[in-house]
Amino acid sequence: DIVMTQSPDSLAVSLGERATINCKSSQSILYSSYNKNYLAWYQQKSGQPPKLLIYWASTRESGVPDRFSGSGSETDFTLTISSLQAEDVAVYYCQQYYGTPTFGQGTKVEIK
Amino acid sequence: QVHLQESGPGLVKPSETLSLTCSVSGGSLSSSLYFWGWIRQPPGKGLEWIASVYYTGSTHYNPSLKSRFSISSDTSKNQFSLKLNSVTAADTAIYYCARHLGIAAPRAPLPPFDSWGQGTLVTVSS
Repeated sequence: DIVMTQSPDSLAVSLGERATINCKSSQSILYSSYNKNYLAWYQQKSGQPPKLLIYWASTRESGVPDRFSGSGSETDFTLTISSLQAEDVAVYYCQQYYGTPTFGQGTKVEIK
Repeated sequence: QVHLQESGPGLVKPSETLSLTCSVSGGSLSSSLYFWGWIRQPPGKGLEWIASVYYTGSTHYNPSLKSRFSISSDTSKNQFSLKLNSVTAADTAIYYCARHLGIAAPRAPLPPFDSWGQGTLVTVSS
């Protein structure tokens, strides 16, 4: 299985400031023939199911605010929240779908 | 907008079989666009994909979970189901059903999940 490792495990950011979450895969999840990275990001608020934010590493799902952006390629990826809002408090997960789907362990984002 | 709802027992005894059903509304299990799957999350922990099914009956399973799981679909009822044999305390988790995003993903048949049920907590205890 492809192992996904996120860092940090948690972070506290002031309202309006930038939050950055990293995700590293144990092997490349770039399908070069298609030029796509098979990576998604989810947001899970307390007591709720996960919500898809981004797929193909950088494509925002419909309705997701543009303060959320994804970047990276091959094995190293980043989710950025450009200006943290109170409603962004959640646990964020990365997931690869290049092979058997696997998730990172999650990163908890809180308000400082 | 598609809506998914899990149903099943909240409490199962060790060594018994767990059966869960996901009822889909606002969308058709018979659509050729989507796979449908199950994911679980032990309390306070991360997410683990279990299995997924296509309307044709084609299935995919997480090889790390051995062969205790079985997924099936009933397009006439617009439902799909998960069975888990010989449960142990380690199977205690919130079980979510979800729809895979309807995008073409060459070399990988299982895109990410774009719609989720609210989840059902299953506790394994005597």
